[in-house]
Amino acid sequence: GAGVSQSPSNKVTEKGKDVELRCDPISGHTALYWYRQSLGQGLEFLIYFQGNSAPDKSGLPSDRFSAERTGGSVSTLTIQRTQQEDSAVYLCASSLTRDSEAFFGQGTRLTVV
Amino acid sequence: AQRVTQPEKLLSVFKGAPVELKCNYSYSGSPELFWYVQYSRQRLQLLLRHISRESIKGFTADLNKGETSFHLKKPFAQEEDSAMYYCALRPRGSYIPTFGRGTSLIVHP
Repeated sequence: GAGVSQSPSNKVTEKGKDVELRCDPISGHTALYWYRQSLGQGLEFLIYFQGNSAPDKSGLPSDRFSAERTGGSVSTLTIQRTQQEDSAVYLCASSLTRDSEAFFGQGTRLTVV
Repeated sequence: AQRVTQPEKLLSVFKGAPVELKCNYSYSGSPELFWYVQYSRQRLQLLLRHISRESIKGFTADLNKGETSFHLKKPFAQEEDSAMYYCALRPRGSYIPTFGRGTSLIVHP
């Protein structure tokens, strides 16, 4: 593919509902990151996957957040029982190796109403 | 824990003027530093990294370990430089960049 692809591009959900955000990394990239971009807050690290290793979940803000990466490729970020403070742009990035440049997707704008 | 500080939320200059976007960091070891840029309606992309010591689109950044700074500079700003700029730090041995809050650069004609 041309780059990192995220879907949906926009998601509006009601407070309390669960949402799933998808990330298709660049083919062959072993590292995958999720970040959250809130207005005026910069990029907040959420979770990191590297190959078949256990993910680094140290940035997940609560146990309502979880992520999976199946087959070392596609990743899904799940937010359960969404709250208004979860409203943000969720960015996914991938890199060929853990030391190389990270390429970002366009993001998913999540709005919790 | 490491921290990246970009003290200016907004920087407004006229075309042709010099521009400096400030970035200060706190980290006890030897970090890798990056500048990322996000143009309007485009995805975040790497602008430059300190280890490559290159100039991209006329921008340069020098790592000053004494002042723990990695300011981004350009001698003559262009309108197309208007964008959001993020400074990021990656500690040695870690693979997770920490980002600053970003500075919005507006270059007026």
